[in-house]
Amino acid sequence: DVKVTQSSRYLVKRTGEKVFLECVQDMDHENMFWYRQDPGLGLRLIYFSYDVKMKEKGDIPEGYSVSREKKERFSLILESASTNQTSMYLCASGSVRVGQEQYFGPGTRLTVT
Amino acid sequence: QKEVEQNSGPLSVPEGAIASLNCTYSDRGSQSFFWYRQYSGKSPELIMSIYSNGDKEDGRFTAQLNKASQYVSLLIRDSQPSDSATYLCAVNMGRDDKIIFGKGTRLHILP
Repeated sequence: DVKVTQSSRYLVKRTGEKVFLECVQDMDHENMFWYRQDPGLGLRLIYFSYDVKMKEKGDIPEGYSVSREKKERFSLILESASTNQTSMYLCASGSVRVGQEQYFGPGTRLTVT
Repeated sequence: QKEVEQNSGPLSVPEGAIASLNCTYSDRGSQSFFWYRQYSGKSPELIMSIYSNGDKEDGRFTAQLNKASQYVSLLIRDSQPSDSATYLCAVNMGRDDKIIFGKGTRLHILP
């Protein structure tokens, strides 16, 4: 079974803090993705990566950065957290070897106060 | 603008009946199509993938794809209360490995 894990299920941070969200997959997938999901707005792609050290902006990259130093690990960084970044953050991995299917981690519910 | 459209619902279906969920997409060159189920507070779970025109069956689920009409659907036979969830349609539009997600249809199975 594909397994995607995320470092925290729930996280509470203060405005201005730097926040790290970690994601690890164990299926040797080359592609990894970070989304946020908000009521009424659906899933929105923040960043994605096709390979180690590669990154591509998604639809809403502002205020975020990412790091992919190893194939199995993809980190999302909020440089200076703001209240409008309160959301559910979902990591996914996928591969052309499985028809570009994406498999999601359990999600991190981030609250910024 | 690449789009995937779904009726937000809620769609209410009696237990034991067939639930029919529909999705349209904007890019005629789309290659891969997916249905995800998402329970409240949980992450999306892939339940069906379909890549060619026609029907694909897996247990109580059938995905139907009509590329000419740019339409994909999911049928759930013998609906159970545990099928109550939001169903997300997702489409890979062929130019890269990104998937475009619809906003989902809330399905409510009435006991």
